[in-house]
Amino acid sequence: DAGVIQSPRHEVTEMGQEVTLRCKPISGHNSLFWYRQTMMRGLELLIYFNNNVPIDDSGMPEDRFSAKMPNASFSTLKIQPSEPRDSAVYFCASSFSTSGGNEQFFGPGTRLTVL
Amino acid sequence: GEDVEQSLFLSVREGDSSVINCTYTDSSSTYLYWYKQEPGAGLQLLTYIFSNMDMKQDQRLTVLLNKKDKHLSLRIADTQTGDSAIYFCAESSGNFNKFYFGSGTKLNVKP
Repeated sequence: DAGVIQSPRHEVTEMGQEVTLRCKPISGHNSLFWYRQTMMRGLELLIYFNNNVPIDDSGMPEDRFSAKMPNASFSTLKIQPSEPRDSAVYFCASSFSTSGGNEQFFGPGTRLTVL
Repeated sequence: GEDVEQSLFLSVREGDSSVINCTYTDSSSTYLYWYKQEPGAGLQLLTYIFSNMDMKQDQRLTVLLNKKDKHLSLRIADTQTGDSAIYFCAESSGNFNKFYFGSGTKLNVKP
Protein backbone atom coordinates (compact mmCIF):
# COMPACT_ATOMS: atom_id res chain seq x y z
CA ASP A 1 0.00 0.00 0.00
CA ALA A 2 1.21 3.53 -0.78
CA GLY A 3 0.22 4.83 2.63
CA VAL A 4 -1.88 7.92 3.24
CA ILE A 5 -1.69 10.21 0.23
CA GLN A 6 -2.12 13.96 0.50
CA SER A 7 -2.20 16.59 -2.21
CA PRO A 8 -0.91 19.08 -2.89
CA ARG A 9 2.32 18.83 -0.87
CA HIS A 10 2.77 22.57 -0.98
CA GLU A 11 0.24 25.31 -1.56
CA VAL A 12 0.86 29.03 -1.72
CA THR A 13 -2.17 31.24 -2.09
CA GLU A 14 -3.31 34.76 -1.46
CA MET A 15 -5.54 35.88 1.34
CA GLY A 16 -9.20 35.50 0.44
CA GLN A 17 -8.72 32.59 -1.93
CA GLU A 18 -10.33 29.20 -1.48
CA VAL A 19 -8.00 26.34 -0.61
CA THR A 20 -8.82 22.65 -0.92
CA LEU A 21 -6.62 19.99 0.61
CA ARG A 22 -7.09 16.37 -0.37
CA CYS A 23 -6.50 13.06 1.35
CA LYS A 24 -6.67 9.43 0.31
CA PRO A 25 -6.60 7.14 3.35
CA ILE A 26 -5.13 3.65 3.42
CA SER A 27 -7.49 1.16 1.84
CA GLY A 28 -9.56 -0.67 4.45
CA HIS A 29 -9.18 1.97 7.13
CA ASN A 30 -12.44 3.28 8.55
CA SER A 31 -11.29 6.31 10.54
CA LEU A 32 -9.82 9.49 9.10
CA PHE A 33 -8.37 12.46 10.97
CA TRP A 34 -7.37 15.97 9.90
CA TYR A 35 -4.69 17.73 11.97
CA ARG A 36 -3.02 21.12 11.75
CA GLN A 37 0.54 21.75 12.96
CA THR A 38 2.04 25.14 13.75
CA MET A 39 4.99 26.25 15.84
CA MET A 40 2.74 28.20 18.17
CA ARG A 41 -0.03 25.66 18.74
CA GLY A 42 1.64 22.34 18.03
CA LEU A 43 -0.47 19.52 16.61
CA GLU A 44 -4.23 20.17 16.72
CA LEU A 45 -6.98 17.73 15.79
CA LEU A 46 -9.45 19.55 13.55
CA ILE A 47 -12.03 16.88 12.72
CA TYR A 48 -12.34 13.12 12.42
CA PHE A 49 -14.59 10.73 10.56
CA ASN A 50 -15.60 7.16 11.24
CA ASN A 51 -17.13 5.17 8.39
CA ASN A 52 -17.29 8.43 6.38
CA VAL A 53 -19.40 10.16 9.04
CA PRO A 54 -18.02 13.21 10.88
CA ILE A 55 -17.81 12.31 14.55
CA ASP A 56 -16.26 15.37 16.13
CA ASP A 57 -15.56 18.70 14.43
CA SER A 58 -15.02 20.69 17.62
CA GLY A 59 -11.43 21.37 16.61
CA MET A 60 -12.38 23.20 13.43
CA PRO A 61 -11.31 26.76 14.18
CA GLU A 62 -13.99 28.71 12.31
CA ASP A 63 -16.83 28.41 9.86
CA ARG A 64 -14.31 29.16 7.12
CA PHE A 65 -13.13 25.56 7.56
CA SER A 66 -15.14 22.63 6.27
CA ALA A 67 -14.37 18.95 5.67
CA LYS A 68 -16.10 16.22 3.73
CA MET A 69 -15.68 12.52 3.23
CA PRO A 70 -17.89 11.52 0.31
CA ASN A 71 -16.59 7.95 0.27
CA ALA A 72 -14.18 5.67 2.08
CA SER A 73 -11.24 6.56 -0.14
CA PHE A 74 -11.35 10.34 -0.26
CA SER A 75 -11.62 13.36 2.01
CA THR A 76 -11.22 17.10 1.55
CA LEU A 77 -10.51 19.97 3.89
CA LYS A 78 -11.58 23.33 2.52
CA ILE A 79 -10.75 26.82 3.75
CA GLN A 80 -12.83 29.63 2.29
CA PRO A 81 -11.77 32.41 2.47
CA SER A 82 -8.19 31.73 3.52
CA GLU A 83 -6.28 34.03 5.87
CA PRO A 84 -2.54 34.36 6.64
CA ARG A 85 -3.07 32.82 10.08
CA ASP A 86 -4.19 29.61 8.38
CA SER A 87 -0.60 29.05 7.26
CA ALA A 88 0.43 25.69 8.71
CA VAL A 89 1.14 22.10 7.82
CA TYR A 90 -2.06 20.09 7.51
CA PHE A 91 -1.87 16.35 8.10
CA CYS A 92 -4.33 13.64 7.29
CA ALA A 93 -4.17 10.33 9.17
CA SER A 94 -6.14 7.12 8.93
CA SER A 95 -6.60 4.02 11.05
CA PHE A 96 -8.68 0.90 11.36
CA SER A 97 -10.69 1.58 14.46
CA THR A 98 -12.18 -1.28 16.39
CA SER A 99 -12.09 -0.87 20.12
CA GLY A 100 -9.06 1.36 19.88
CA GLY A 101 -5.39 0.78 20.16
CA ASN A 102 -4.77 0.88 16.47
CA GLU A 103 -2.01 2.93 14.94
CA GLN A 104 -2.85 6.13 13.15
CA PHE A 105 -0.93 6.35 9.89
CA PHE A 106 -0.01 9.87 8.88
CA GLY A 107 0.34 11.32 5.42
CA PRO A 108 3.30 13.52 4.48
CA GLY A 109 1.31 16.71 5.05
CA THR A 110 0.38 19.76 2.99
CA ARG A 111 2.36 22.89 3.75
CA LEU A 112 -0.03 25.82 3.27
CA THR A 113 1.20 29.40 2.99
CA VAL A 114 -1.36 32.16 2.79
CA LEU A 115 0.12 35.51 1.76
CA GLY B 1 -10.35 17.53 26.52
CA GLU B 2 -7.56 15.34 27.81
CA ASP B 3 -4.18 16.86 28.61
CA VAL B 4 -0.91 15.35 27.48
CA GLU B 5 2.19 17.30 28.43
CA GLN B 6 5.82 17.07 27.38
CA SER B 7 8.87 19.23 27.74
CA LEU B 8 9.69 21.08 24.54
CA PHE B 9 13.40 20.44 24.10
CA LEU B 10 16.09 17.90 24.96
CA SER B 11 19.72 18.00 23.94
CA VAL B 12 22.11 15.06 24.32
CA ARG B 13 25.47 13.97 22.99
CA GLU B 14 25.82 11.14 20.53
CA GLY B 15 26.20 7.82 22.35
CA ASP B 16 24.41 8.99 25.49
CA SER B 17 20.94 7.84 26.51
CA SER B 18 17.96 10.12 25.95
CA VAL B 19 14.92 10.11 28.17
CA ILE B 20 11.78 11.88 27.00
CA ASN B 21 9.00 12.27 29.53
CA CYS B 22 5.25 12.67 29.19
CA THR B 23 2.36 13.09 31.59
CA TYR B 24 -1.32 12.60 30.84
CA THR B 25 -4.57 13.12 32.69
CA ASP B 26 -6.99 10.51 31.36
CA SER B 27 -7.07 7.59 33.79
CA SER B 28 -9.07 5.55 31.29
CA SER B 29 -6.29 5.62 28.71
CA THR B 30 -6.02 2.23 27.10
CA TYR B 31 -3.00 2.69 24.88
CA LEU B 32 -0.09 5.10 24.99
CA TYR B 33 2.07 5.83 21.99
CA TRP B 34 5.33 7.39 20.95
CA TYR B 35 5.53 8.93 17.50
CA LYS B 36 8.58 10.37 15.75
CA GLN B 37 8.50 13.26 13.28
CA GLU B 38 11.54 13.95 11.14
CA PRO B 39 11.92 17.36 9.44
CA GLY B 40 9.47 17.87 6.61
CA ALA B 41 7.70 14.57 7.21
CA GLY B 42 4.59 13.22 8.86
CA LEU B 43 4.47 11.38 12.16
CA GLN B 44 5.54 7.75 12.31
CA LEU B 45 4.72 5.33 15.09
CA LEU B 46 7.80 4.31 17.08
CA THR B 47 6.22 2.13 19.71
CA TYR B 48 3.19 1.81 21.95
CA ILE B 49 2.30 0.28 25.28
CA PHE B 50 -0.93 -1.12 26.60
CA SER B 51 -2.05 0.38 29.88
CA ASN B 52 -1.75 -2.89 31.81
CA MET B 53 1.98 -3.05 31.10
CA ASP B 54 4.77 -1.34 33.03
CA MET B 55 7.54 -1.63 30.52
CA LYS B 56 8.16 -2.45 26.90
CA GLN B 57 11.53 -2.83 25.24
CA ASP B 58 12.21 -2.76 21.52
CA GLN B 59 15.89 -2.74 20.54
CA ARG B 60 17.26 0.67 21.62
CA LEU B 61 13.86 1.87 22.83
CA THR B 62 12.48 1.33 26.34
CA VAL B 63 9.03 2.58 27.31
CA LEU B 64 8.17 2.89 30.98
CA LEU B 65 4.62 3.47 32.21
CA ASN B 66 3.70 4.56 35.72
CA LYS B 67 -0.05 4.37 35.61
CA LYS B 68 -0.49 5.60 39.18
CA ASP B 69 1.35 8.83 38.40
CA LYS B 70 0.12 8.92 34.77
CA HIS B 71 3.70 9.22 33.60
CA LEU B 72 5.16 7.76 30.43
CA SER B 73 8.79 7.87 29.35
CA LEU B 74 10.77 6.89 26.28
CA ARG B 75 14.41 5.98 26.69
CA ILE B 76 16.64 5.81 23.63
CA ALA B 77 19.90 4.01 24.30
CA ASP B 78 23.09 4.93 22.42
CA THR B 79 21.45 7.97 20.83
CA GLN B 80 22.55 8.67 17.26
CA THR B 81 22.42 11.85 15.18
CA GLY B 82 19.72 10.17 13.12
CA ASP B 83 17.52 10.16 16.21
CA SER B 84 17.27 13.96 16.04
CA ALA B 85 13.56 14.63 15.54
CA ILE B 86 10.41 15.67 17.36
CA TYR B 87 8.92 12.96 19.56
CA PHE B 88 5.21 13.00 20.35
CA CYS B 89 3.50 11.21 23.18
CA ALA B 90 -0.16 10.29 22.59
CA GLU B 91 -2.88 8.49 24.47
CA SER B 92 -6.09 6.85 23.37
CA SER B 93 -9.02 5.54 25.33
CA GLY B 94 -10.45 3.74 22.35
CA ASN B 95 -13.18 6.18 21.42
CA PHE B 96 -13.14 5.84 17.63
CA ASN B 97 -9.38 5.65 18.05
CA LYS B 98 -9.15 9.39 18.75
CA PHE B 99 -5.66 10.25 19.92
CA TYR B 100 -4.62 13.06 22.26
CA PHE B 101 -1.13 14.26 21.38
CA GLY B 102 1.36 16.15 23.48
CA SER B 103 3.16 19.21 22.14
CA GLY B 104 6.19 17.19 21.08
CA THR B 105 9.76 17.15 22.41
CA LYS B 106 12.46 18.25 20.02
CA LEU B 107 15.49 16.02 20.50
CA ASN B 108 18.79 17.46 19.37
CA VAL B 109 21.72 15.02 19.22
CA LYS B 110 25.13 16.66 19.16
CA PRO B 111 28.01 14.78 17.54
